[in-house]
Amino acid sequence: GAGVSQSPSNKVTEKGKDVELRCDPISGHTALYWYRQSLGQGLEFLIYFQGNSAPDKSGLPSDRFSAERTGGSVSTLTIQRTQQEDSAVYLCASSPPVGLAGVSEQYFGPGTRLTVT
Amino acid sequence: AQSVSQHNHHVILSEAASLELGCNYSYGGTVNLFWYVQYPGQHLQLLLKYFSGDPLVKGIKGFEAEFIKSKFSFNLRKPSVQWSDTAEYFCAVKNSGGYQKVTFGIGTKLQVIP
Repeated sequence: GAGVSQSPSNKVTEKGKDVELRCDPISGHTALYWYRQSLGQGLEFLIYFQGNSAPDKSGLPSDRFSAERTGGSVSTLTIQRTQQEDSAVYLCASSPPVGLAGVSEQYFGPGTRLTVT
Repeated sequence: AQSVSQHNHHVILSEAASLELGCNYSYGGTVNLFWYVQYPGQHLQLLLKYFSGDPLVKGIKGFEAEFIKSKFSFNLRKPSVQWSDTAEYFCAVKNSGGYQKVTFGIGTKLQVIP
């Protein structure tokens, strides 16, 4: 079946401009995550959506970053007034409802490579 | 708050050498543990996971990991690596239960020399 998709795959933008990154999770997956992957920094958690609950925004690095998830499916990560340090690969992942074992794994998208010039 | 430490950031091995990548986590409760792998140019994908039962977990491609609760560790092992194992490996932890926030380590880049 279809996996997690992200668009665009690459985005080059000028410093100060706003960008929107899109994530389409796997159908039926209730949890959705955004991470940032920078060279030498590993996977940095940004935000987590779980069903209809309030999202966990504890990883967003500044108020220039925001995300929403519409209808429990598609999610958009918005970065306002981009800075050069925002350059990174932004990864989206989704996971199905927790099973009887109480655990489910994440399925990752290909990422969006953002370059701020 | 939970955290994950991966001690080796870059490992270089010759083919057929044995591999052990360290992973330690900090969290006082019951945890679920994962290893993910990212091959060059590919998505992150699950290698193996532990949630309960036998602490020795076997994953794809001959990898295994052992959960040692007393040491808060979940080291990844493979007895004989291949060139195709060249990739970046990430350890991850979540507290068990419905809240699914996952914390990742910084990753270990493995380079296998033919």
